[in-house]
Amino acid sequence: DTAVSQTPKYLVTQMGNDKSIKCEQNLGHDTMYWYKQDSKKFLKIMFSYNNKELIINETVPNRFSPKSPDKAHLNLHINSLELGDSAVYFCASSQDRMVGLGEQFFGPGTRLTVL
Amino acid sequence: KNQVEQSPQSLIILEGKNCTLQCNYTVSPFSNLRWYKQDTGRGPVSLTIMTFSENTKSNGRYTATLDADTKQSSLHITASQLSDSASYICVVSAGTGANNLFFGTGTRLTVIP
Repeated sequence: DTAVSQTPKYLVTQMGNDKSIKCEQNLGHDTMYWYKQDSKKFLKIMFSYNNKELIINETVPNRFSPKSPDKAHLNLHINSLELGDSAVYFCASSQDRMVGLGEQFFGPGTRLTVL
Repeated sequence: KNQVEQSPQSLIILEGKNCTLQCNYTVSPFSNLRWYKQDTGRGPVSLTIMTFSENTKSNGRYTATLDADTKQSSLHITASQLSDSASYICVVSAGTGANNLFFGTGTRLTVIP
């Protein structure tokens, strides 16, 4: 019955590897997001995805790519992991088609550690 | 430059006491302002969303105020409980689009018995 779920909860991997984080929402929302929260707890939006429209934060390296197999899922794939990618990644969703207007519901987060 | 600043950075209060957290922003244009509560190890949970025309909005013991003229918002917590210990994040939207969401760095509140 979890509204927004993410897997895995923890991910430890070596530098240079490729990894994916999965996100699913059962709220019937139209828009999904990926956020990165660094060690200082600062939340930064990475992507939003709405009706097959992807909006990318221009500061996100192209090693990061979101993939949406359907409206309820938005996975995050990361290539060639670097030490600086270590952070907690949050998936979120919102009802609104227009990003930035409505309430967002967050998943529990995935703590990624790159060694 | 669009920025959201929160104060204090951290706060410790006794259970049962009230407290007020501040959020100042320079975001323009302004669409809405949200307060989120983030428990340790969890995702943020929305407390309130306010648009330009709303001065105050309550959610239980949480009351948010907005002064769009001075670009300030506050979150007042009444009769604090141990479960209020969390980070509180202020987010300002400059309109639609992922690049129009601006996040504060949060206030870490600790409520002690």
